[in-house]
Amino acid sequence: GAVVSQHPSRVICKSGTSVKIECRSLDFQATTMFWYRQFPKKSLMLMATSNEGSKATYEQGVEKDKFLINHASLTLSTLTVTSAHPEDSSFYICSARGQTVYEQYFGPGTRLTVT
Amino acid sequence: GENVEQHPSTLSVQEGDSAVIKCTYSDSASNYFPWYKQELGKGPQLIIDIRSNVGEKKDQRIAVTLNKTAKHFSLHITETQPEDSAVYFCAALNVNTGFQKLVFGTGTRLLVSP
Repeated sequence: GAVVSQHPSRVICKSGTSVKIECRSLDFQATTMFWYRQFPKKSLMLMATSNEGSKATYEQGVEKDKFLINHASLTLSTLTVTSAHPEDSSFYICSARGQTVYEQYFGPGTRLTVT
Repeated sequence: GENVEQHPSTLSVQEGDSAVIKCTYSDSASNYFPWYKQELGKGPQLIIDIRSNVGEKKDQRIAVTLNKTAKHFSLHITETQPEDSAVYFCAALNVNTGFQKLVFGTGTRLLVSP
């Protein structure tokens, strides 16, 4: 299958700081990218959907000013957690979709810990 | 909107046994059903999927069945191996809608004991 990378894989930051997570589709062009959050032993919760060059569409209850998403190109999307707090600690997973809905691949995830 | 239920939440089997995980969806318009395997600390990986125009699909030791009338689909793993131990998620999606967002089940933790 296609490859999606995330960087960093793990990040620890102090409360009040911002942290950026990158998601790249390495061998295909991603028309749509998705950002998920996963709590321990829980399912994936969709945070937002973004199309290249457009503003992201956020799911209900997700603060767009806190979780800034930039889909700058067909191979790169970034999630910035602004003014992070301990409750933002979680596993963040991106997913990239190619030309069809059947071509959706997930990144390896980023473990964010806010101290 | 779509709702996907998944059972069981945990499943323990002996190596070599079969494992079956079942999902039920609510929206009859859903027509694409992928299954993902997630190992600890990693992202989900697609292992098999099925579209609504077929009732069964097989890939070596794994198979998926779909019952559109009952709105059920199941993952079957035969001859389980310890490396099959992981969390498995089912999902559903309607490819004909503008939203096209995967709706995930709650996950099944499979433990295969040697």
